[in-house]
Amino acid sequence: SQTIHQWPATLVQPVGSPLSLECTVEGTSNPNLYWYRQAAGRGLQLLFYSVGIGQISSEVPQNLSASRPQDRQFILSSKKLLLSDSGFYLCAWSVLGGHGSQTQYFGPGTRLLVL
Amino acid sequence: EDQVTQSPEALRLQEGESSSLNCSYTVSGLRGLFWYRQDPGKGPEFLFTLYSAGEEKEKERLKATLTKKESFLHITAPKPEDSATYLCAVTIQGAQKLVFGQGTRLTINP
Repeated sequence: SQTIHQWPATLVQPVGSPLSLECTVEGTSNPNLYWYRQAAGRGLQLLFYSVGIGQISSEVPQNLSASRPQDRQFILSSKKLLLSDSGFYLCAWSVLGGHGSQTQYFGPGTRLLVL
Repeated sequence: EDQVTQSPEALRLQEGESSSLNCSYTVSGLRGLFWYRQDPGKGPEFLFTLYSAGEEKEKERLKATLTKKESFLHITAPKPEDSATYLCAVTIQGAQKLVFGQGTRLTINP
């Protein structure tokens, strides 16, 4: 069965510091991978998605970036964190299913607090 | 612009009191509508996918239905453990991504 891991689970960082969040998927090949951010009490905002190694699509211009160095590894980074980067970061994976749709399965999330 | 709206924002029920959550959507070329459950501090858990108007799916006390403009998540005789935020999302033809609604926060009181 497929499993998705995210780490760290919780992170407190000062403004201006760098960021690296990692997501790995087990039990599937060539998945689509996604990074979302969820502000407190709000819906999910898609940040980046990837359909393959080295292929990254950005949805929202910001000081974050994403990379996919391996098939089942997705990394979210920042060179300098802002207060507004605080939130709950979720990684998800999907594969093509019935009717041409892609059901996304989410990881446990990383809670980031920028002070 | 593709849009998903969920109502109500929050719903408080007594244990055993059945109700429905609404998800209305404005998209071109619906490819699938998804329901997720999210507990506080956790990632969303997949519940259902619906593909075409008239389709229904059930899981324990939950039943999801789909029309051409909206979807309902019916909760029958809910229990306190059904308390969570329920998220609706759609994917459109040719897209690799989901568009999410803001969610309905459901509380079931014992």
